[in-house]
Order: sequence, then structure tokens, then C-alpha cells
Amino acid sequence: DTGVSQDPRHKITKRGQNVTFRCDPISEHNRLYWYRQTLGQGPEFLTYFQNEAQLEKSRLLSDRFSAERPKGSFSTLEIQRTEQGDSAMYLCASSPPTGGDSPLHFGNGTRLTVT
Amino acid sequence: SQQGEEDPQALSIQEGENATMNCSYKTSINNLQWYRQNSGRGLVHLILIRSNEREKHSGRLRVTLDTSKKSSSLLITASRAADTASYFCATARIQGAQKLVFGQGTRLTINP
Repeated sequence: DTGVSQDPRHKITKRGQNVTFRCDPISEHNRLYWYRQTLGQGPEFLTYFQNEAQLEKSRLLSDRFSAERPKGSFSTLEIQRTEQGDSAMYLCASSPPTGGDSPLHFGNGTRLTVT
Repeated sequence: SQQGEEDPQALSIQEGENATMNCSYKTSINNLQWYRQNSGRGLVHLILIRSNEREKHSGRLRVTLDTSKKSSSLLITASRAADTASYFCATARIQGAQKLVFGQGTRLTINP
């Protein structure tokens, strides 16, 4: 169990550029989540996958955002035409398929800075 | 939107003292969870308390839940410098809910 892995850890981009982040969940976890966290705030839910199916999307996820999990393993989050307001920490989490309420296992996040 | 609101926003105590953080929420919940986040890192799950539970312990952690007041508290006893972190409560509205709603967090500093 190597934990949830996110890549890159840091990304600096210019406004208008596209960026893509990757998340590798814990191998036996079929649930994967993306959250966004701005400085001094708690994480805000963006989207959730169960296996390869994207089952819920937040209204925070504008048309410029797209997330995929093509084979039910790793996931990517793409932001097109980045804006300064997109600057934040993007956190990925996973949880196992056990019944009940499993806690989320978070990665260390990708910090995005849009200049 | 943030459902939970933590109080205080920041807390600074001496090593060895107890630290108490509070969380209030607005809607009915199935469970409430507490997470810790060290600076620049991801969140680590600490403890989960279900809506039909009133108190739960895990090591130096004690969590209480008052559903009538829609509030929870996290007590860390005999604090250590390594407990310095931000602490967040998160609520799940229904069983198996995939969306956790986090509060704004309490920044805890333990002074040696």
C-alpha cells in the first residue's frame, strides 16, 4: 500500500494554458474523489468516480474542467484555459468498496499557481 | 459550500495541555468525521462518529456529537508538538454518501 499518489506536486502555468493532473489511488480502492482547497479553507468537493463511472459532479466544476478515470484505476483532472481563480490545491482521495462509511485516503495534492 | 464551521479558527497552546476544537453544521447527517492536515500535505482521517453515537475515543482523541445542537467537538489530550496541524470536520448527509462537506478548519499550534 503506497498510498494515494498525485502528480505533479506543483504546477505553475500562465493564464489561458491547459493543465492536467494525475491521481493514482490505492490499488484496491474503487472510489475516487477530487477536491479543491484554497488557502485557509477546507476542501470543496469537485467530483466522484466509482470504478470508471463519474457519478457526481459539483457545480464548481465548470465547463473548463474535465475529469476521467478510463480504466477505473488512475484518474486525470484537466483544466482548460486556466484562470487566476483556479489557483488552489487539488486533492485526490480514494476509498475502498466496503460497505458502510469508509474514510477517505488523501494524496498530498497538486498545488496549481496560475500567473 | 461549506457546511461545517469550526471554532476557534486558530488555537495556540503549550505542549502537554489539552486542545478542544468545535464544529457546527447545518443539516441532518449520517456521520461526522475529523481529519488532520499538516502544512502542504493531504488530509489524514482521524475518527468517524455516527449520528446515533454521542462519544468516541481513539488514543488521545475524544470526539463528541450532539445532533440536537448540530455540533461536535474534538479533544486532543496531552498535546505534543507533532499535533501542530489544521483540523477539519466533515459531514456526510446519508449513509454511504460519497460527498463529504468540510468545514474551514482550526489551525492548532502546540508550543514546546
